[in-house]
Amino acid sequence: RKEVEQDPGPFNVPEGATVAFNCTYSNSASQSFFWYRQDCRKEPKLLMSVYSSGNEDGRFTAQLNRASQYISLLIRDSKLSDSATYLCVVNPNTGNQFYFGTGTSLTVIP
Amino acid sequence: DGGITQSPKYLFRKEGQNVTLSCEQNLNHDAMYWYRQDPGQGLRLIYYSQIVNDFQKGDIAEGYSVSREKKESFPLTVTSAQKNPTAFYLCASNQGVMNTEAFFGQGTRLTVV
Repeated sequence: RKEVEQDPGPFNVPEGATVAFNCTYSNSASQSFFWYRQDCRKEPKLLMSVYSSGNEDGRFTAQLNRASQYISLLIRDSKLSDSATYLCVVNPNTGNQFYFGTGTSLTVIP
Repeated sequence: DGGITQSPKYLFRKEGQNVTLSCEQNLNHDAMYWYRQDPGQGLRLIYYSQIVNDFQKGDIAEGYSVSREKKESFPLTVTSAQKNPTAFYLCASNQGVMNTEAFFGQGTRLTVV
């Protein structure tokens, strides 16, 4: 079983829509969770960390469900500039490694 | 400005040749990582180093080698033993403590012909 699994999409949504991505992880002892954004042919960049209590940054909300071992990312009022691949990242608390999901592709359509 | 720098951005090599990818960081981070990204497969860990003069194999280390002689530098050599070296290579670093994110270089796109 993969450490981190994501639905690759693609998700094609109209401007202004709300879209949600989920990501599941296999190691119940994992402690650190992140969402990264990657634009085409560019490096991943941190979008937001995911805390146990959940966190919000403008139009973006991240949540963690330890019981079901998944994290989610909600994007409200989608903009054209949100079009990218969103990577779920988990640090399983062993060896300070990072495990990446395959990414979920989002295209926001005018 | 602090950051992590990879060079070159694009690299072309003939099959059978070894090639070394550079990664330098001035963030004073202890941990550094090398990932490979192929279309549809996400990032896969090649090697990582938690501290100077020490490194560990990741999930796909075969055909690669690294060194960590200085805290700032973590070069990756793609050897002729790597069967399918054409890929996008990403170097990352972080503070080496829990709950800290990884910072990435701009990547090196290696094409072997």
